[in-house]
Amino acid sequence: GNSVTQMEGPVTLSEEAFLTINCTYTATGYPSLFWYVQYPGEGLQLLLKATKADDKGSNKGFEATYRKETTSFHLEKGSVQVSDSAVYFCALTGGGSNYKLTFGKGTLLTVNP
Amino acid sequence: NAGVTQTPKFQVLKTGQSMTLQCAQDMNHNSMYWYRQDPGMGLRLIYYSASEGTTDKGEVPNGYNVSRLNKREFSLRLESAAPSQTSVYFCASSANSGGALPGELFFGEGSRLTVL
Repeated sequence: GNSVTQMEGPVTLSEEAFLTINCTYTATGYPSLFWYVQYPGEGLQLLLKATKADDKGSNKGFEATYRKETTSFHLEKGSVQVSDSAVYFCALTGGGSNYKLTFGKGTLLTVNP
Repeated sequence: NAGVTQTPKFQVLKTGQSMTLQCAQDMNHNSMYWYRQDPGMGLRLIYYSASEGTTDKGEVPNGYNVSRLNKREFSLRLESAAPSQTSVYFCASSANSGGALPGELFFGEGSRLTVL
């Protein structure tokens, strides 16, 4: 079946540091890949997405590239801010008509001033 | 826009009590979902409704029932609550038609349930 593995947290960084959160996946077919973000006390929001190999999703300074050869979709940001403190979830759909999302366990990011 | 609205936001139950979590979306989405979020477990799908009139089990359906009342509303019922059902519950919806990207979900703010 489909599965998503994220790096274990929590991750603590200083403001303006470089961020990488690793994500690898197992899926049949041609999945679409997503990063969702959950700010404290809120529901999840879509951060970025990629639908095919070598696509790069980007939003709010975050980027992730769909790497089929390594089955990875690592999240990166060049300079994090305190407001980026949140839980980040990597997720995928199984492709085709399968609209269900499979989530990773989430990575808590704390950015200190 | 209200988006996805869940009620109640907080609830405390005793073991064996029943309750229903309500969810409504105003985006004319076809599909709706119920997830639970537990520490270290991420989000796990309980039930989903691909379209009005259909419901299917997800990863952890035991102890729950759902009703897709109409296109807007999707409720989750706990018939006899157990402490293992203490969790944060999220409702979500997605378009899944008209060129919308599968997997692009819109979430409610969550309902925190404690079962004593």
